[in-house]
Amino acid sequence: DSGVTQTPKHLITATGQRVTLRCSPRSGDLSVYWYQQSLDQGLQFLIQYYNGEERAKGNILERFSAQQFPDLHSELNLSSLELGDSALYFCASSVAQGQYEQYFGPGTRLTVT
Amino acid sequence: GQNIDQPTEMTATEGAIVQINCTYQTSGFNGLFWYQQHAGEAPTFLSYNVLDGLEEKGRFSSFLSRSKGYSYLLLKELQMKDSASYLCAVRDEENNDMRFGAGTRLTVKP
Repeated sequence: DSGVTQTPKHLITATGQRVTLRCSPRSGDLSVYWYQQSLDQGLQFLIQYYNGEERAKGNILERFSAQQFPDLHSELNLSSLELGDSALYFCASSVAQGQYEQYFGPGTRLTVT
Repeated sequence: GQNIDQPTEMTATEGAIVQINCTYQTSGFNGLFWYQQHAGEAPTFLSYNVLDGLEEKGRFSSFLSRSKGYSYLLLKELQMKDSASYLCAVRDEENNDMRFGAGTRLTVKP
């Protein structure tokens, strides 16, 4: 158990809908990262927050947004969902912005039908 | 941009040694990572290299050559539980983001 929690574990929704994925980092970790993992594209970095502020942006679509709250939990919002958005979404946390070791949560499996 | 290449699949025998290579191209290198991921599970951190040379941690070692854009992960005394995907990732200093290779699926056979 990494100490990072993600909810829900599974999510099934229809195209065009909007969902919110939630992540709670390990106690004391200030950085949160979001990743998408699909079968054909591997693990893709989406976005990073540090202490409430966005620090780095990867391959995140405009339909997706995220934020980190004062209590350091983070939410990833996915809107206008498409079939291709079906994937595992991982959240990871680390102590500081430059800290190299990231601890991954168990992931949320999103299925868009 | 960044390209990260690693073999798609490898097979090795229990008790043996296997080396998984990773080559990368990056605009601003700020560290290379290796992760292990069992099917359906989250990745777990194995190693981090930012300077040239070898980092050893138990049965696992990781090597980096920044001038060659090359790294390898060495697994010794292979066990069946080492069957997993091994992901190479590079942190880009310029963009401060992480890029992952597609992963190498290692199968350990008895």
